[in-house]
Amino acid sequence: QLHLQESGPGLVKPSETLSLTCTVSGGSISRSRYYWGWIRQPPGKGLEWVGSIYDSGSTYYNPSLRSRVTISVDTSKNQFSLELSSVTTADTAVYYCARPHQIIAARSAFEIWGQGTVVTVSS
Amino acid sequence: EIVLTQSPATLSLSPGERATLSCRASQTVYTYLAWYQQKPGQAPRLLIYEASHRATGIPVRFSGSGSGTDFTLTISSLEPEDFAVYYCQQRSDWPLSFGQGTKLEIK
Repeated sequence: QLHLQESGPGLVKPSETLSLTCTVSGGSISRSRYYWGWIRQPPGKGLEWVGSIYDSGSTYYNPSLRSRVTISVDTSKNQFSLELSSVTTADTAVYYCARPHQIIAARSAFEIWGQGTVVTVSS
Repeated sequence: EIVLTQSPATLSLSPGERATLSCRASQTVYTYLAWYQQKPGQAPRLLIYEASHRATGIPVRFSGSGSGTDFTLTISSLEPEDFAVYYCQQRSDWPLSFGQGTKLEIK
């Protein structure tokens, strides 16, 4: 059974870089043919897609965040990661990693989600 | 960016009643629309993909319909565990986008 787990600091200072990792267990990222995604949810608000990465490293980012976002994959560790630079309080959110429903499709619904990790931006 | 508008914002119903939730897209998304359920403190759960296909393990009381710009999620007879927030999401174009959510609450 596939399981995704987010990890990283829960508190980040304004102007610094937020770094999160998603560890996948029960299945392999390598040659999975999925576009693995990051989605975030500010407190009390709706969901926002951050970006997605293919098993080979090809990426798509939300234009609203593109200048600050980097998503990478480490197939040897079965992990993919999110970096968001120059954070502000508006980046405070629960960050989820997720596996899409469809293989190969760069755009997809998300079928399997991590539990989410809370990141607070505050000095 | 494709904007998804969900209505109503809040829906108050009783167990056993039928729930009808709406999602309208700012431009056609064909049938590339999904629905999710989210309970407090939990990750979203995929209910419906491609507008009308139930995801694995989803009860038959959940159904989706629509195409183009207008979509509906119907819960035929509400169970106590169905009271939650529901989101729609389109995969027709970049960036992927979600509606703002409909809260289904117990009347």
